[in-house]
Amino acid sequence: AQSVTQLGSHVSVSEGALVLLRCNYSSSVPPYLFWYVQYPNQGLQLLLKYTSAATLVKGINGFEAEFKKSETSFHLTKPSAHMSDAAEYFCAVSGSGANSKLTFGKGITLSVRP
Amino acid sequence: GAVVSQHPSWVICKSGTSVKIECRSLDFQATTMFWYRQFPKQSLMLMATSNEGSKATYEQGVEKDKFLINHASLTLSTLTVTSAHPEDSSFYICSLGLAGYNEQFFGPGTRLTVL
Repeated sequence: AQSVTQLGSHVSVSEGALVLLRCNYSSSVPPYLFWYVQYPNQGLQLLLKYTSAATLVKGINGFEAEFKKSETSFHLTKPSAHMSDAAEYFCAVSGSGANSKLTFGKGITLSVRP
Repeated sequence: GAVVSQHPSWVICKSGTSVKIECRSLDFQATTMFWYRQFPKQSLMLMATSNEGSKATYEQGVEKDKFLINHASLTLSTLTVTSAHPEDSSFYICSLGLAGYNEQFFGPGTRLTVL
């Protein structure tokens, strides 16, 4: 069994400020973890993924996340927010293998204030 | 990575009609595809896992007779919403699972509106 918890539904930051989006997971097997971004009426874009290699993962658009097994966390950060980062962000967990199911968190809406 | 297309990108239909959504893998053979549904302001929920040449595996609570999945080729999976009703209005997204890749590759989604 696996699950993802994304606390809160909305985060608002000022342009240039640190972005921190929290994700905690539960998994009965070694997890693969993902962060996706979704813009309105569009599909999902993969930001980054953890697949049991380096615990600090760097992704696209300046985002990174750190896998902390002891805390069962995979929080997403970006040092300086841009207006274009405003979107919906989903954390997801799966096991290994092509047939592994992805379980998504409920998502967090990121707003960026000028 | 793999490129996945969906057709149509949006569709409006009358209540009681059936709608077919296509999901194509453009550059890889798709042994396994996944179908998700996303209601407004909500997360993605897995509906079913589609395997080429065999019956789809549906998640608990998903009516297999209402959401017909066909995966007859290695590049195409289809989802047919039968006798659609307004509550079936949603964003439907497919994804491709590839052996050797540690991620799913998502299509752009199909917006279904049932009047």
